[in-house]
Amino acid sequence: DAGITQSPRHKVTETGTPVTLRCHQTENHRYMYWYRQDPGHGLRLIHYSYGVKDTDKGEVSDGYSVSRSKTEDFLLTLESATSSQTSVYFCAITQDGDEAFFGQGTRLTVV
Amino acid sequence: GENVEQHPSTLSVQEGDSAVIKCTYSDSASNYFPWYKQELGKGPQLIIDIRSNVGEKKDQRIAVTLNKTAKHFSLHITETQPEDSAVYFCAASKSSYQKVTFGIGTKLQVIP
Repeated sequence: DAGITQSPRHKVTETGTPVTLRCHQTENHRYMYWYRQDPGHGLRLIHYSYGVKDTDKGEVSDGYSVSRSKTEDFLLTLESATSSQTSVYFCAITQDGDEAFFGQGTRLTVV
Repeated sequence: GENVEQHPSTLSVQEGDSAVIKCTYSDSASNYFPWYKQELGKGPQLIIDIRSNVGEKKDQRIAVTLNKTAKHFSLHITETQPEDSAVYFCAASKSSYQKVTFGIGTKLQVIP
């Protein structure tokens, strides 16, 4: 398995609180992505990174921010969590032209 | 932006039969079409991919076909086995590392 770790794996948080999810890779891959997975929607891209401090928005970026200060870490922050952000979040990595590897996912519940 | 439609959303087959999942895409500039398998509680895993300069690709019991004119591509699994039971996602992008748009997924159940 590719060296990609998401933390935490499960989290319950209250509406209005900030939440940060972490993706850590040991593959030195250039590209990193955050997706959310919801029934009936498949996987939707939130944000992605193409290098240290280089990030861009995906199709569902509202309410989320990201940071990448090191090649190996890509953080996803929910600035003020809402119930609509209850979802399973996946991090993925890929190198130029190679297949994408996904993490195990983080199940986030906002109550 | 790109839109990928996938059907059926659920599929049940008898063990040993074939399964076919179909996808269409909207952006004619898309040229990379991966297929992912997601087992319960795990992240998606690439099982096969195809690029626009190829019409068909096979890997053992799995094959993917691409019709660029019609903008559709399909996954074919032959001689299905219980371990093929999972959710399958098709996807499209303009390259293997750019933004990838996924279909909504197909839950395949192989009945022993």
